[in-house]
Amino acid sequence: SYVLTQPPSVSVAPGQTARITCGGNNIGTKSVHWYQQKASQAPVLVVYDDSDRPSGIPERFSGSNSGNTATLTISRVEAGDEADYYCQVWDSSSDHVIFGGGTKLTVL
Amino acid sequence: QVQLVESGGGVVPPGGSLRLSCAASGFTFSNYGMHWVRQAPGKGLEWVAVIWNDGNKAYADSVKGRFTISRDNPKNTLYLQLNSLRAEDTAVYFCSRDRTVKHFLDYWGQGTLVSVSS
Repeated sequence: SYVLTQPPSVSVAPGQTARITCGGNNIGTKSVHWYQQKASQAPVLVVYDDSDRPSGIPERFSGSNSGNTATLTISRVEAGDEADYYCQVWDSSSDHVIFGGGTKLTVL
Repeated sequence: QVQLVESGGGVVPPGGSLRLSCAASGFTFSNYGMHWVRQAPGKGLEWVAVIWNDGNKAYADSVKGRFTISRDNPKNTLYLQLNSLRAEDTAVYFCSRDRTVKHFLDYWGQGTLVSVSS
């Protein structure tokens, strides 16, 4: 089955830019979605279809996808962005939702 | 506004059964596919199952043959029947709404905790 690989952790200082990667075989041919999950809360969709943002999500959150890597970029990072982030795709060959292992973003 | 509220979690011994419910409101429930996603303590998200608006279903290999997803459209409710439970099924179970065609999960419930323990 299709596998998505994320780094376990990323650290960034406030005001800097955080980049969280999601690797997968030819992931550039799939639509990638990103979720933010703060401690003890349900996940929240922050980017869908590679680079679109749901209403209410700040423009600081953006996404890209090409080749074997998709990237979630968070600009001007704030303390409130500290959370776990998960990438997700739809595997049409198995009719399954696939999640990456998650990346813990720490704001220093 | 869209709301999803799970219930039915609890403590159950290994080999036991449980039925989870997810009450939906704020949208036309019958028009959407619905998913169950779980999260073991301290672990990442794991997709469990989906039921489409036409009633077709799909399951993760880890639960196939033990869990059954269903829906009652007049009651706007999604269900997950959990049978032959194992310790590794201990998790918070979330229901979520599917947005076709890209299949992202745009709304999530707050989750219900299932603990499998003797």
